[in-house]
Amino acid sequence: EVQLVESGGGLVQPGGSLRLSCAASGFTFSDYWMSWVRQAPGKGLEWVAHIKHDGSVKWYVDSVRGRFTVARDNAANSLYLQLNTLRAEDTAVYYCARGSAAVWGQGTLVTVSS
Amino acid sequence: DVVMTQSPLSLPVTLGQPASISCRSSQSVVYSDGNSYLSWFQQRPGQSPRRLIYEVSNRDSGVPDRFSGSGSGTDFTLKISRVEAEDVGVYYCMQGTRWPYTFGQGTELEIK
Repeated sequence: EVQLVESGGGLVQPGGSLRLSCAASGFTFSDYWMSWVRQAPGKGLEWVAHIKHDGSVKWYVDSVRGRFTVARDNAANSLYLQLNTLRAEDTAVYYCARGSAAVWGQGTLVTVSS
Repeated sequence: DVVMTQSPLSLPVTLGQPASISCRSSQSVVYSDGNSYLSWFQQRPGQSPRRLIYEVSNRDSGVPDRFSGSGSGTDFTLKISRVEAEDVGVYYCMQGTRWPYTFGQGTELEIK
């Protein structure tokens, strides 16, 4: 069964950092681009970051560029998102997604608040 | 950025009746390979999004055939031939042609 399981969310103060992880199973992880998509409470969807199969190409939405870093470990079938200098507006459920979002995880909630 | 505009934003539908959602992009979503990377997603209450349609009109595995996608260039449509209770939720279109990939605002489908 194809599965994506996110972890690492939580409550963090403004300016703080957090590292999200996504464990993939049921498919050949290294064959796919992988992405992070977020959804603020009661709001729509926003594509945050996108990383090529081998990690050589990374794209970020303007609102997170320079603060967030996407990475992957193909040997560990894992995707990561390092969130630095967090702001209140980064509060959202963060989803891991495969390719052009054919498969989604259950999401992990990041709350930025003092 | 490519702006995706959906209409209507709220869609009350009687069970068994058809439903249609429009999505317009601010720029063509035709990629250099000739494909249009326009997808539709369903998000049921309390669940993760689920992709229904990719590349305008291709249904994902397990998606009922009452869902269909059509369109070209900048105008796209998701149709549900006969709405069922399990179709309640928010529907999003998304373009995956130009970075950053962008979603429409969402259309909330409810049963009348």
